Formats: sequence, C-alpha cells, structure tokens
Amino acid sequence: DIVMTQSPDSLAVSLGERATINCKSSLSVISSSNDKNYLGWYQQKPGQSPKLLISWASTRESGVPDRFSGSGSGTDFTLTISSLQAEDVAVYYCQQYYNTPTFGQGTKVEIK
Amino acid sequence: EVQLVQSGAEVKKPGESLKISCKGSGYSFSSYWIAWVRQMPGKGLEWMGIIFPGDSDTRYNPSFQGQVTISADKAITTAYLQWSSLRPSDTAMYFCARSGGRGPQSPFPHWGQGTLVTVSS
Repeated sequence: DIVMTQSPDSLAVSLGERATINCKSSLSVISSSNDKNYLGWYQQKPGQSPKLLISWASTRESGVPDRFSGSGSGTDFTLTISSLQAEDVAVYYCQQYYNTPTFGQGTKVEIK
Repeated sequence: EVQLVQSGAEVKKPGESLKISCKGSGYSFSSYWIAWVRQMPGKGLEWMGIIFPGDSDTRYNPSFQGQVTISADKAITTAYLQWSSLRPSDTAMYFCARSGGRGPQSPFPHWGQGTLVTVSS
C-alpha cells in the first residue's frame, strides 16, 4: 500500500492568514503515461461527509473558492488556504488514487 | 444532480449480520465506480473497497478483504455493504462515494450522507 503522511496533524491560523498542509506519499503517484498526479484533497467539517476540493494535485473542483490551491508532484504535495476564513475550520485529508486508494491521517485546521 | 442516499443508522449486537445501502440517482448508475469508506469514531478515513455496478467488478482493500462484502444491483441503482458477523470494532460511520471518472483510478467528488453503525451488546 502507498502510505500517505500529512503534516502537521493540526494547526491554528489567524483569520485572513495562510494555512499550509503537506502530504507525502511513500511512492510516487505520478503516472508516466499521462503525467498526472493521482492525488486529491478533501475537506471534512464536523458531522458532514468529506468534500473533494482538489483533484489531480492541483485542479480545483467546481465551486471551490480560489483561496484553496494544490501543488506538488511525485511524492510531495501541498494544500494552501491563502486567507483562512471561519468556514474553513475542518479536517483536511490527502488521498492517492494511483492504486488502492489510501488517505493521509488528516490535518485539523482551527482558528487561532 | 448526482445524489447518493444511504440507509439509516443501525444498532446491532455482536455476531449479527447487516447490509447497508447506497442508492444512486441523477446519473448512469452502471457507468461509475462506487466506493465504501469507513470512519471510526474520532478517526480518519479508510478505503474499504470499490465496485463497478455495470459488471460487478469489485476490488477490496486487503485490510477489509474477507471482513465485508460489497455488491450492487444496477436494476435498482443501489450499492451495498454487508457483514455476516458484526464485531464491536465495526462501530463506525460508513460512507459511499461515486467516482468522478469512468475508471477506478479517479477522485471521488460525490458522497452519501453516511450510515452510522453501532455494534454493542
């Protein structure tokens, strides 16, 4: 299995400030056939289902605010919230779907 | 609009069997993969397995192989997750999710609301 490791486990950021979450995979999740990174980011608010924010490492889903962005390639990825809003308090998960999908352990984002 | 509607919460005793469901609508049910994801209380997301309703091709996370059975009935656009003998450690929220693309190597943009399963004597 590909192991996904996120850092940090939690972070507290002031409103309007930048939040950065890292995700590292134990194997590369980029396909040599299409040059795509099989990596997604999900947001889960308390009591809700996960919501896909970013797919293919950097493609924002329809309706997702542009303060959310994804970057990285191969084994190292980042989710950035450029200006944290109160409604962004949630747990964020990275997921690889290169082979049997696996999730990172989650990063809890709170307001400082 | 794509919708996945899951069956309601269940309270079961150890050793009992259970089958929970996920009904898809608003799209061609046979053409997209459906996955099941476990979330134990206060914990993260775990991928259990995936099924293609068109031909019932099913793939399991090795950690869940033999512990659960995933199935689908395309005639009634419903996927299932079942246990033959529940354990207290099966207590969790279970989500179904639909792939965004036609292949299994796809992100999952559509999720059900979750089914809470509680196993206790």
